Amino acid sequence: DVKVTQSSRYLVKRTGEKVFLECVQDMDHENMFWYRQDPGLGLRLIYFSYDVKMKEKGDIPEGYSVSREKKERFSLILESASTNQTSMYLCASSLYRDGSTDTQYFGPGTRLTVL
Amino acid sequence: TQLLEQSPQFLSIQEGENLTVYCNSSSVFSSLQWYRQEPGEGPVLLVTVVTGGEVKKLKRLTFQFGDARKDSSLHITAAQPGDTGLYLCAGGGGSQGNLIFGKGTKLSVKP
Repeated sequence: DVKVTQSSRYLVKRTGEKVFLECVQDMDHENMFWYRQDPGLGLRLIYFSYDVKMKEKGDIPEGYSVSREKKERFSLILESASTNQTSMYLCASSLYRDGSTDTQYFGPGTRLTVL
Repeated sequence: TQLLEQSPQFLSIQEGENLTVYCNSSSVFSSLQWYRQEPGEGPVLLVTVVTGGEVKKLKRLTFQFGDARKDSSLHITAAQPGDTGLYLCAGGGGSQGNLIFGKGTKLSVKP
């Protein structure tokens, strides 16, 4: 079974702090994704990566950056956390570069609260 | 911009009832996926449909992809409390090869 793990289930940070969210997948998948999920807004893509050291902006990249130094690990960084970044963050991975029919496997999510 | 509209947004029914959830767009998608997300967990894939008019069944769940590949529906027969969750549709063929997600239908099935 594919497993996607996220470093924390719950996280509380203060405004202005630098926040790292880590995601690891164990199935040698090419693609990894970071989403945020908010009530009434659904899943919104922040960044994704098709390969090591490659990154592509999603729909809402502002205020975020990412790092993919190893194939299995994809990190989301909030350089200076703000209260409007309070959300559920979901990491996902998929096998192929063509995402049109590829299954995305999700981690359990990190619920981040910024005070 | 490709968008997927899901309806209804919320659905609360009694055990044993039937229901249908809709996923509509003005854009054509190369495929359509349905995910279910339970509280505190990430979404899990239920099915992928790729051919216009395709119908797939998964036990009590029936998924249909519209002939024009712009819409899809999920029908649940004799719903059970274990069907409770957030149902998300996702269209393949986004501008960067990624999936486009709808906002979801939150289903609650009461015993």
